[in-house]
Amino acid sequence: DTEVTQTPKHLVMGMTNKKSLKCEQHMGHRAMYWYKQKAKKPPELMFVYSYEKLSINESVPSRFSPECPNSSLLNLHLHALQPEDSALYLCASSQELAETQYFGPGTRLLVL
Amino acid sequence: QQQVKQSPQSLIVQKGGISIINCAYENTAFDYFPWYQQFPGKGPALLIAIRPDVSEKKEGRFTISFNKSAKQFSLHIMDSQPGDSATYFCAATYYNQGGKLIFGQGTELSVKP
Repeated sequence: DTEVTQTPKHLVMGMTNKKSLKCEQHMGHRAMYWYKQKAKKPPELMFVYSYEKLSINESVPSRFSPECPNSSLLNLHLHALQPEDSALYLCASSQELAETQYFGPGTRLLVL
Repeated sequence: QQQVKQSPQSLIVQKGGISIINCAYENTAFDYFPWYQQFPGKGPALLIAIRPDVSEKKEGRFTISFNKSAKQFSLHIMDSQPGDSATYFCAATYYNQGGKLIFGQGTELSVKP
C-alpha cells in the first residue's frame, strides 16, 4: 500500500482566513514533504520533515507554517495568504530521505 | 548544475505509437532518477525509476534508457494508448540533497485514437 491521503480536496479561503491542510500516511515512512504546484509547472518543494523534525525549509513565507505532530501526520497551517498562493498543494512521503517519494492527490487551494 | 532539462514540452502521438521523452542533467552526483505521471487534478504517481548502475529498465510498456556518459535519460512508452495522455515529469536526486527532487519542466503527452 503506497497511499498518502490529503484533506480537504478543495479549499477556498479569503486573505484573512486561517486554515489547515492535512496529510496522512500509514506506510511507516519517516520522511514527509510539502510541495506547491502551479498549473503546467513541476511541483516546487516547500518543506521536508525527517523523523518528525523539519530538515528543509525552501525559504517559504511565514504565512505557511508546517507541523509534524507524529510520524504519520503532516499539517500545513495557512494564514493571511495571497491570491498568488492559489495552487495545488501536494504532500509526499518516503521511507527515508532520498528514497522514492509517493505523492498524495493534493489539495486544490483558491485564495480570494 | 542542479537543473534537469526535459524535452519536448508537449508531444502528440498516435495510438499504438512510441512516445519518447528526454531528460538531461549536469550534476554527476545525482544517483536516482524517477519518472512521474500526472493526470489533471491529481498528484504525481511514480511510474518507473532507475539508478545509474543500470542502462535500461523496463516495466510493462514503459522503459527508461540511461546514458551515464552523456548525462541523459529517457522514457519510452511503447504501444501508446489514449489513457497514457498525461503530463510526465522526470526528476533526479542524490542522498546529500536531503530528499530534494529536482524536477524537469514536464511533458504534456496526448495520444490520439
